[in-house]
Amino acid sequence: AQSVTQLDSQVPVFEEAPVELRCNYSSSVSVYLFWYVQYPNQGLQLLLKYLSGSTLVKGINGFEAEFNKSQTSFHLRKPSVHISDTAEYFCAVPNYGGSQGNLIFGKGTKLSVKP
Amino acid sequence: GAGVSQSPSNKVTEKGKDVELRCDPISGHTALYWYRQSLGQGLEFLIYFQGNSAPDKSGLPSDRFSAERTGGSVSTLTIQRTQQEDSAVYLCASSLAGATEAFFGQGTRLTVV
Repeated sequence: AQSVTQLDSQVPVFEEAPVELRCNYSSSVSVYLFWYVQYPNQGLQLLLKYLSGSTLVKGINGFEAEFNKSQTSFHLRKPSVHISDTAEYFCAVPNYGGSQGNLIFGKGTKLSVKP
Repeated sequence: GAGVSQSPSNKVTEKGKDVELRCDPISGHTALYWYRQSLGQGLEFLIYFQGNSAPDKSGLPSDRFSAERTGGSVSTLTIQRTQQEDSAVYLCASSLAGATEAFFGQGTRLTVV
């Protein structure tokens, strides 16, 4: 069965500092991987996705993630964060035992950017 | 519409009452999903509709929960005899068939008192 673990529930960081949000997955099949962002009182927005090909994936708002098959990780990074990046970030994988629309989400990481 | 629209945005109901939550997907999107987001459980898949196929109801937590999608567009999630543990944000998403990206609405925050 697939699963996703986000190792940090909260990450505080100062503005313009780099940040890494960690995600590890467990899957017995080849994977697709996603990062979603949820701003306060908003729905989820896709940040980036890995389907195949290059292991370094670039997304919106300057974020990128690297798929590492040997470490079963898909960590999200940004070299310099802004106050506006304050949000909750979710890593997700498809549930291959279920329908196409069935995503398994991690518990989320709350990124708090301080001035 | 421009995005996925959910109504109401907030709903407070008394324990034991029935509630209906509505989702208007993006025009042309044949796939529609319902998720529940709660503090203790995170984001949980509830149900998935794709075109005229039978829906995947594997995530519905009990028989008090049901959903329908009329005319392949608007969907209604119904919770009967609400319980306090049903309090959560209910998120709807839609996508094109076969697409890997789903677009989410802003959710309905349900509070059962």
